Amino acid sequence: ETGVTQSPTHLIKTRGQQVTLRCSSQSGHNTVSWYQQALGQGPQFIFQYYREEENGRGNFPPRFSGLQFPNYSSELNVNALELDDSALYLCASSLTDNGPNEQFFGPGTRLTVL
Amino acid sequence: GQSLEQPSEVTAVEGAIVQINCTYQTSGFYGLSWYQQHDGGAPTFLSYNALDGLEETGRFSSFLSRSDSYGYLLLQELQMKDSASYFCAVRDAGFKTIFGAGTRLFVKA
Repeated sequence: ETGVTQSPTHLIKTRGQQVTLRCSSQSGHNTVSWYQQALGQGPQFIFQYYREEENGRGNFPPRFSGLQFPNYSSELNVNALELDDSALYLCASSLTDNGPNEQFFGPGTRLTVL
Repeated sequence: GQSLEQPSEVTAVEGAIVQINCTYQTSGFYGLSWYQQHDGGAPTFLSYNALDGLEETGRFSSFLSRSDSYGYLLLQELQMKDSASYFCAVRDAGFKTIFGAGTRLFVKA
């Protein structure tokens, strides 16, 4: 167990809807990253938040947005859902410093878009 | 573009040694990490190399050559529980962590 929790564990939505996924970081971690993982693929970096500011973003459209709160928990919002958004969404917390950037992953949210 | 290349699949027998290679092409480099992911589970951190050379952690070792943009993960004394997917990942200059597509390791009895 990493101490990183995500909710919900599973979610079914229809095309065009909006979804909010939540993540609670491991205690003491100030950085959270979100990833999308399609079946049989590696995690794809969506964005990273450090002390409530987005400080890195992958190749995802603006309809993917996020927030980090003062307690370092985080949300991922996806608007105008498309079928290709069906995937496992992982959040990972870390303590940003000059060290190994070891990321602690939560169990993920499995999103299905119909 | 940015990319990490690793073999898609490796098979080995219990007790053997296996090496999983990773070559990378990224904008900036702040270290190569390795993660393990069992089916249905989340990735878990295995090792990290920022400088050239070998890092050893129990049965797992990881190597990095920055001049060759190359690294590998070495798993010794393979056990059935080591059957999983293994990902190399690079942290780039833009605070992004780029993952490879993963190597699926099958350990046979």
